[in-house]
Amino acid sequence: AQSVTQLGSHVSVSEGALVLLRCNYSSSVPPYLFWYVQYPNQGLQLLLKYTSAATLVKGINGFEAEFKKSETSFHLTKPSAHMSDAAEYFCAVSEGNFNKFYFGSGTKLNVKP
Amino acid sequence: DAGVIQSPRHEVTEMGQEVTLRCKPISGHDYLFWYRQTMMRGLELLIYFNNNVPIDDSGMPEDRFSAKMPNASFSTLKIQPSEPRDSAVYFCASSPPSRGDTGELFFGEGSRLTVL
Repeated sequence: AQSVTQLGSHVSVSEGALVLLRCNYSSSVPPYLFWYVQYPNQGLQLLLKYTSAATLVKGINGFEAEFKKSETSFHLTKPSAHMSDAAEYFCAVSEGNFNKFYFGSGTKLNVKP
Repeated sequence: DAGVIQSPRHEVTEMGQEVTLRCKPISGHDYLFWYRQTMMRGLELLIYFNNNVPIDDSGMPEDRFSAKMPNASFSTLKIQPSEPRDSAVYFCASSPPSRGDTGELFFGEGSRLTVL
């Protein structure tokens, strides 16, 4: 069975500071992993995805995530937060059958001026 | 290109009424998904279709919920009768053929349903 755990429902950082959003997964087979972002009153948009190629994945808007099999983690980072990064971020896993995605509970990122 | 289009964006109705939510997927996408988002339960997959055929409806809460996809460009999610606990944001998403790669979901802007 697959599941996704996002630690911290709310994260607050100062503008210019490092962003770190945590995601751990459980999967019985090598997973496909995703990060999606949701801005207020909008649908989710794909930030980046891991599909068993390079373990460090670069996405849009300066975000990247590293797949660590030994830690079953796929944490999302950005070196320097921008006000426009304020949104809710969802980690998701798909197990072979990519058409079934399991989403984490989401982490709301607040960026302080 | 147009994205996934959902209507209505907002719906307020009274308990017991029928609600129909509509979705137009991106042209050429052959997978369509319905998700429900609430504060308590997060994002839940309700049902998904491939080439207009329902593949997995195990997430549909109960018989009051039904979904159809009569053609490649249109899908509906119906709740009859509606209850206050159905209040949520309902998202439609579509995905292109996998062609051996993992897909990605393209979401609509959602339909916010409030049942009084």
